[in-house]
Amino acid sequence: QQQVKQSPQSLIVQKGGISIINCAYENTAFDYFPWYQQFPGKGPALLIAIRPDVSEKKEGRFTISFNKSAKQFSLHIMDSQPGDSATYFCAARTGNTGKLIFGQGTTLQVKP
Amino acid sequence: DSGVTQTPKHLITATGQRVTLRCSPRSGDLSVYWYQQSLDQGLQFLIQYYNGEERAKGNILERFSAQQFPDLHSELNLSSLELGDSALYFCASSYSSGTGELFFGEGSRLTVL
Repeated sequence: QQQVKQSPQSLIVQKGGISIINCAYENTAFDYFPWYQQFPGKGPALLIAIRPDVSEKKEGRFTISFNKSAKQFSLHIMDSQPGDSATYFCAARTGNTGKLIFGQGTTLQVKP
Repeated sequence: DSGVTQTPKHLITATGQRVTLRCSPRSGDLSVYWYQQSLDQGLQFLIQYYNGEERAKGNILERFSAQQFPDLHSELNLSSLELGDSALYFCASSYSSGTGELFFGEGSRLTVL
């Protein structure tokens, strides 16, 4: 119940295309859903986040769509660029700690 | 640069040995988190400290221990090392305890031979 399932494991997109990564969870106590971006040799960095009372959040080319009833959320990267090539992790938080449960990660490659 | 400093960046040691990983959080951050990243397990939460006190615990092995010192830096001690402990160990920090916005360091890569 503490798991966050992420798919796909890897994704190849052409430059200018839309990248979509999906996550699903079971624990309805999760109250915060961030996405982290990780480049090789670096630590994860917060990209965008959403709370369950909002169905969509957009920041630039990055959008989170959240479906509370289905317990699913997804990251959409519009106009994908080679610089977006990285590993993306969805995560979920419960309670008043900062403890995050991470998905397994998606390695995105954007081809020029 | 996240402002979180981890040392050492790389560490190679033998089975049965003990190592200490060090983390300096961002200036002003009170909370420190340790995560283990391996290929097959992804990012696994180990433990969180807030202002010197343990706040949350994950699947941290009994062979592992951590503490946060009065100057807020933290150390993760790994003992009786096994081959399977080889992984990237990340430290993250945040100002408050309940935020999901963590700032990660660049990690300490541990190789156990």
